[in-house]
Amino acid sequence: QKEVEQDPGPLSVPEGAIVSLNCTYSNSAFQYFMWYRQYSRKGPELLMYTYSSGNKEDGRFTAQVDKSSKYISLFIRDSQPSDSATYLCAMSGGSSNTGKLIFGQGTTLQVKP
Amino acid sequence: KAGVTQTPRYLIKTRGQQVTLSCSPISGHRSVSWYQQTPGQGLQFLFEYFSETQRNKGNFPGRFSGRQFSNSRSEMNVSTLELGDSALYLCASSAMPGTSTDTQYFGPGTRLTVL
Repeated sequence: QKEVEQDPGPLSVPEGAIVSLNCTYSNSAFQYFMWYRQYSRKGPELLMYTYSSGNKEDGRFTAQVDKSSKYISLFIRDSQPSDSATYLCAMSGGSSNTGKLIFGQGTTLQVKP
Repeated sequence: KAGVTQTPRYLIKTRGQQVTLSCSPISGHRSVSWYQQTPGQGLQFLFEYFSETQRNKGNFPGRFSGRQFSNSRSEMNVSTLELGDSALYLCASSAMPGTSTDTQYFGPGTRLTVL
């Protein structure tokens, strides 16, 4: 079983829809949670970075972390065709404070005009 | 501020050869990490460097090695290439090691094809 599980999709939604992307994890030591967006043939681009449980909002994006359930989410409001990409969750933490990120498989999102 | 740069962007090699990939971090960033991305395994951590020292290493064979220079630039080397080494190799930089103060910013990657 992978440490981080993410539904690979693909997920197809109409423009303007609210998108919900999710990851579950098994390692309770994780404290830092990130969402990256990756366009085809590009490197991952950081969208959200959160520490521990709670919500964080940045424009149309909201990240939620529920450490008790070992579950994180990314919501995209008013989705746009330009949001079409692969979304990767990543996490790290623990006593060693390593820079090693553990990634989910990524969810491919298509927003149709 | 310029982002992470990686060279070359594309490489084609044959089995048994070796390859060296280069990464220049964001100006002022002193920590560099390397990842391998494949369709089957996704993004997997290779190693993390800070102040020219390897702080952490992923579960890859010894054919994969790296180093960091005094200007924070980093290189990774893969010797005796295998077909399964075909992947996108990503470099990420952060101001300091670990993720308690900041996270990592990725470069565009080097796409390696092994024939």
